[in-house]
Amino acid sequence: GAVVSQHPSRVICKSGTSVKIECRSLDFQATTMFWYRQFPKKSLMLMATSNEGSKATYEQGVEKDKFLINHASLTLSTLTVTSAHPEDSSFYICSARVLAKVDTQYFGPGTRLTVL
Amino acid sequence: GDSVTQMEGPVTLSEEAFLTINCTYTATGYPSLFWYVQYPGEGLQLLLKATKADDKGSNKGFEATYRKETTSFHLEKGSVQVSDSAVYFCALFYNQGGKLIFGQGTELSVKP
Repeated sequence: GAVVSQHPSRVICKSGTSVKIECRSLDFQATTMFWYRQFPKKSLMLMATSNEGSKATYEQGVEKDKFLINHASLTLSTLTVTSAHPEDSSFYICSARVLAKVDTQYFGPGTRLTVL
Repeated sequence: GDSVTQMEGPVTLSEEAFLTINCTYTATGYPSLFWYVQYPGEGLQLLLKATKADDKGSNKGFEATYRKETTSFHLEKGSVQVSDSAVYFCALFYNQGGKLIFGQGTELSVKP
């Protein structure tokens, strides 16, 4: 149980285009989802926290107009990278948790974004 | 601010060798401490955790003890297997706020 999927697993896009990444909790309802960015040989950096039905809370230094997060249902959150540039190329990971287990996050396998 | 520091990787060991991956933390409060493992092509999975000082977390032969006096949570395994090859992340967590703060990850490669 407690599986989180991400789609796509990898995407290549041209500079200036927008890319949407989906994060789904497959067998549970996620009251909160998190989006992370992982650089090579670096830690996971929390970008934002989203609660179902409300606006995402962004970490300091993360541009909310560039990284649009929507958490429209208890099983789906999306991250849209708008007007992507090569410096946005990275590995994006989502996680999900349920209200009853605040210290437990279930992670998706990640999405590799390459912006040309 | 709070932070987690792990030993640099990659760590390369022969099968059945003893493993230690060092993790130290800086915390303003009393966090829980976690080890996550990321196998190739998969998402992070919780390996073990400890919620207070002197607690020992254990799972799949791995152990880590929450040492408040040395602000450490080192991961150990007595005899590693090839299947343990993965990236290991140490993290701290506060119930209030609910955010995980990760170390930079340590890649482990176990050779037969």
